[in-house]
Amino acid sequence: TQLLEQSPQFLSIQEGENLTVYCNSSSVFSSLQWYRQEPGEGPVLLVTVVTGGEVKKLKRLTFQFGDARKDSSLHITAAQPGDTGLYLCVPPSNSGYALNFGKGTSLLVTP
Amino acid sequence: DTGVSQNPRHKITKRGQNVTFRCDPISEHNRLYWYRQTLGQGPEFLTYFQNEAQLEKSRLLSDRFSAERPKGSFSTLEIQRTEQGDSAMYLCASSPAGRDGYGYTFGSGTRLTVV
Repeated sequence: TQLLEQSPQFLSIQEGENLTVYCNSSSVFSSLQWYRQEPGEGPVLLVTVVTGGEVKKLKRLTFQFGDARKDSSLHITAAQPGDTGLYLCVPPSNSGYALNFGKGTSLLVTP
Repeated sequence: DTGVSQNPRHKITKRGQNVTFRCDPISEHNRLYWYRQTLGQGPEFLTYFQNEAQLEKSRLLSDRFSAERPKGSFSTLEIQRTEQGDSAMYLCASSPAGRDGYGYTFGSGTRLTVV
């Protein structure tokens, strides 16, 4: 199992603030996926990063894959209450089908 | 296609009762997965179907749990003799063939409360 540590586990901020979530590992990954899960819903795939050093932007969300492909970050600019949810970074499946989710980062953005 | 559909969205049952959940995947996806998620945790893999064949079951899937996908389309997850520890969100996901671990689309889940 490829271990991926995500931090922080919990984050509570006010609307308008910026934040960064980190995923770190000692393993090299071919890619990483980021999901967001809103309360009471299933996870939704936000982005897949594949190339070392890659930066992908999704509106106010910026995803970066480390040069060595061992880590990734998610930066949210000017957070909004609608950003509230559980953010999960997930490595590729070792088995070919099952994704190994960690605890993720639970984000609360208050007005 | 409206995505992965799960029914019911919520289920409250008494301990010892049997419950069954249904998942309708995206029609062109031949892979279907069940996950369970408890409070404060990410989803945990339960089982995987490719078409109608159940190819993998997690050790989390005790003998009281059974999943089927009879015609390779919708799937059901049954829990017999429910226990309070079964209370969780049960998530179904589907993906197209040839995209190992990629391209998952999750349903909204069924939240089970065992009282």
